[in-house]
Amino acid sequence: EAQVTQNPRYLITVTGKKLTVTCSQNMNHEYMSWYRQDPGLGLRQIYYSMNVEVTDKGDVPEGYKVSRKEKRNFPLILESPSPNQTSLYFCASTPGTGAGGYTFGSGTRLTVV
Amino acid sequence: GESVGLHLPTLSVQEGDNSIINCAYSNSASDYFIWYKQESGKGPQFIIDIRSNMDKRQGQRVTVLLNKTVKHLSLHIAATQPGDSAVYFCAENTYTGNQFYFGTGTSLTVIP
Repeated sequence: EAQVTQNPRYLITVTGKKLTVTCSQNMNHEYMSWYRQDPGLGLRQIYYSMNVEVTDKGDVPEGYKVSRKEKRNFPLILESPSPNQTSLYFCASTPGTGAGGYTFGSGTRLTVV
Repeated sequence: GESVGLHLPTLSVQEGDNSIINCAYSNSASDYFIWYKQESGKGPQFIIDIRSNMDKRQGQRVTVLLNKTVKHLSLHIAATQPGDSAVYFCAENTYTGNQFYFGTGTSLTVIP
């Protein structure tokens, strides 16, 4: 089944403790993105990647890092999480812009206390 | 950045009625648009897309209309069913761009 898989689904952590949210897609898509979703603000792009080793900032990149060492994987790293990063996170992939949009993962609900 | 907005944050319809969800966009350079459906606890799911060289596109029970003159997009759902209850987003993109911009969403509730 074609899908985007992200883990974990739920995560509660403490301020400053580094964490990684994994994302993997099995559709051989070139483009991958991370979004955060907050009430009243909709989906905001954190980082995106156009291909292996090619990444760029989205609208809200502060406090996040990403890497794209392999085409299928696009982990999101929070080096020192803070409470304002409490949010619902989605990983998504697409074969290319203008080509049917993104396929989204099921989401990771992160709480930073 | 671009602004993608929705006219109504919530919409309630009777089962079997038609639903219309509206979206305004501000970037006249946007030439590709998508409607997504997000059910509770799930990620957004592609419903239908339309390019700017079209005014209308039909899918199964859904139709998207694009009015480039007033920069307005609408999603029409025919014979709305309880399974259509969800949040609906529009997203815009320029064909050669790397980013999609999403609206904040409209919550559709279907009353049995």
